[in-house]
Amino acid sequence: KAGVTQTPRYLIKTRGQQVTLSCSPISGHRSVSWYQQTPGQGLQFLFEYFSETQRNKGNFPGRFSGRQFSNSRSEMNVSTLELGDSALYLCASSPMGSSGASNEQFFGPGTRLTVL
Amino acid sequence: AQSVAQPEDQVNVAEGNPLTVKCTYSVSGNPYLFWYVQYPNRGLQFLLKYITGDNLVKGSYGFEAEFNKSQTSFHLKKPSALVSDSALYFCAVRDQGRGNDMRFGAGTRLTVKP
Repeated sequence: KAGVTQTPRYLIKTRGQQVTLSCSPISGHRSVSWYQQTPGQGLQFLFEYFSETQRNKGNFPGRFSGRQFSNSRSEMNVSTLELGDSALYLCASSPMGSSGASNEQFFGPGTRLTVL
Repeated sequence: AQSVAQPEDQVNVAEGNPLTVKCTYSVSGNPYLFWYVQYPNRGLQFLLKYITGDNLVKGSYGFEAEFNKSQTSFHLKKPSALVSDSALYFCAVRDQGRGNDMRFGAGTRLTVKP
């Protein structure tokens, strides 16, 4: 089975621009979560999608948004980029069953975003 | 809300020696606990998890972790460290009664010296 894929792997943007990152989960996985990883803040939860609906949201400003498509692929968008948005953005998918919360997440390699 | 603490930013051990990476957690209900490892420029890889049952959980690459409810800890252990175990290790928790929101610790960098 192919793993979680994220595109692009690297991205350089300037302040004020917007960016869209893409994530394709493992086949059959319906839950997709997004995380921001920075040296100073560690891994911070952005949001989780399941069946095209946002189920959980972390403590990030409204500039950070996402969506999930019917094939479970997900995108996240960051508008009006700031220098502090430079980070590794990780996507993770997991299978969902009756005890979904006990399932581990499978992570993609991440998208390294640099804001200049 | 659930939270995780990894009290050590860095752990150094000699190859062949046992290693321990510490993790404590806080949840209002019962926890699901996870360990992940991250190699440079890679995403996180799942190592093991505690759901219920036996307090000693065995995972990938010879790692194991012990769940201690009274001490709210879930320390990662390996009897004999390898240089290739050098990486960043993350502990994570979900509260069983609060959906799929997973919280990660700050990470512990493990360095195994030959």
